[in-house]
Amino acid sequence: AQRVTQPEKLLSVFKGAPVELKCNYSYSGSPELFWYVQYSRQRLQLLLRHISRESIKGFTADLNKGETSFHLKKPFAQEEDSAMYYCALLDAGNMLTFGGGTRLMVKP
Amino acid sequence: ETGVTQSPTHLIKTRGQQVTLRCSSQSGHNTVSWYQQALGQGPQFIFQYYREEENGRGNFPPRFSGLQFPNYSSELNVNALELDDSALYLCASSFWTPMNTEAFFGQGTRLTVV
Repeated sequence: AQRVTQPEKLLSVFKGAPVELKCNYSYSGSPELFWYVQYSRQRLQLLLRHISRESIKGFTADLNKGETSFHLKKPFAQEEDSAMYYCALLDAGNMLTFGGGTRLMVKP
Repeated sequence: ETGVTQSPTHLIKTRGQQVTLRCSSQSGHNTVSWYQQALGQGPQFIFQYYREEENGRGNFPPRFSGLQFPNYSSELNVNALELDDSALYLCASSFWTPMNTEAFFGQGTRLTVV
């Protein structure tokens, strides 16, 4: 069975500092990976997906199949980035498996 | 606003009772999934419906069941409620194709079992 691990429950950085939210996965097939974000009092929403290879709100994530990782990065954190971030894997059966989430706090 | 709405927003039930949670998907979406999110954890996949048929199920017992209707609404039913069923229940809908797998989430229903 697939598994998604986010080792940090909480990540606290100062505004302008680089951010890296870690995500590791285990899956026997070819995964499709996502980052979802939940801002305060808002619903869960898609931030980015690895197949798009795009940068959203300054965030990027690269799929590393060798290390089975999909870390989320941003070079300069902003206060409005403070939120819960979830890494998720979509399997061949279209089932989405989420990690436990990382709360990012960006301090002024 | 994504167009996915869930009702009710909050609910308190007694152990052993049955509950029905509802989700109104975005118009045109052919797929709906339900998730259970316990406090401090990520969402856990319960099951998924595609064109009104269940086409995927997570590690949840049969007392968790669902329906999807032609008008894009869906239901999650839980029988014989247990205290551990207390959680936030999320519904997500999508127009699934191999190239379009984004799920749109509702705001959730918080169920408390006492």
